[in-house]
Amino acid sequence: SYELTQPLSVSVALGQTARITCGGNNIGSKNVHWYQQKPGQAPVLVIYRDSNRPSGIPERFSGSNSGNTATLTISRAQAGDEADYYCQVWDSSPHVVFGGGTKLTVL
Amino acid sequence: QVQLQESGPGLVKPSGTLSLTCAVSGGSISSSNWWSWVRQPPGKGLEWIGEIYHSGSTNYNPSLKSRVTISVDKSKNQFSLKLSSVTAADTAVYYCARFRGPAKWFDPWGQGTLVTVSS
Repeated sequence: SYELTQPLSVSVALGQTARITCGGNNIGSKNVHWYQQKPGQAPVLVIYRDSNRPSGIPERFSGSNSGNTATLTISRAQAGDEADYYCQVWDSSPHVVFGGGTKLTVL
Repeated sequence: QVQLQESGPGLVKPSGTLSLTCAVSGGSISSSNWWSWVRQPPGKGLEWIGEIYHSGSTNYNPSLKSRVTISVDKSKNQFSLKLSSVTAADTAVYYCARFRGPAKWFDPWGQGTLVTVSS
């Protein structure tokens, strides 16, 4: 079955740019979606179809996808961006695959 | 805008059946979307359970398929999850979510409900 690999943790200085990767075999051929989950809260969609932002999500959040790696980029990182981030794709079986999640720490 | 709310028992005995309902408000469950269940064990990542269309068509995670049933009640604008033969490993926060687009992403999500399997 298809697998997605994320780093367990990423740290970024306040105001700098954070990049969270999601690796998968030829992931560039798939649509990748990203979710932000703060402690005790439900996940929130922040990027869909590789690089599209839902309404209400700041322009500081962007995404890209090519080859074997998809990337979520958070510019001008804020304390409020501290959260777990998950990537997700739809695959033929088991239909939905999530990455293991990355904990973002803003220093 | 569409909102989802999970409800059901917070405690289930081992070998019993977990039953949850997701009420959809602000939109019709008969719209052109699939509806899904996702769970998250304490301190762990997200696991997709399955999905349903208003017609009743379903798809399940193969790892849970033998124990899962998802159904829809269009008259009440809600859908439900049943997971049988539960063990402590099924203890998790259970989320319902709308499954959107041909590219299949989740938005929005319900707030989630913690179900503990314990005697």
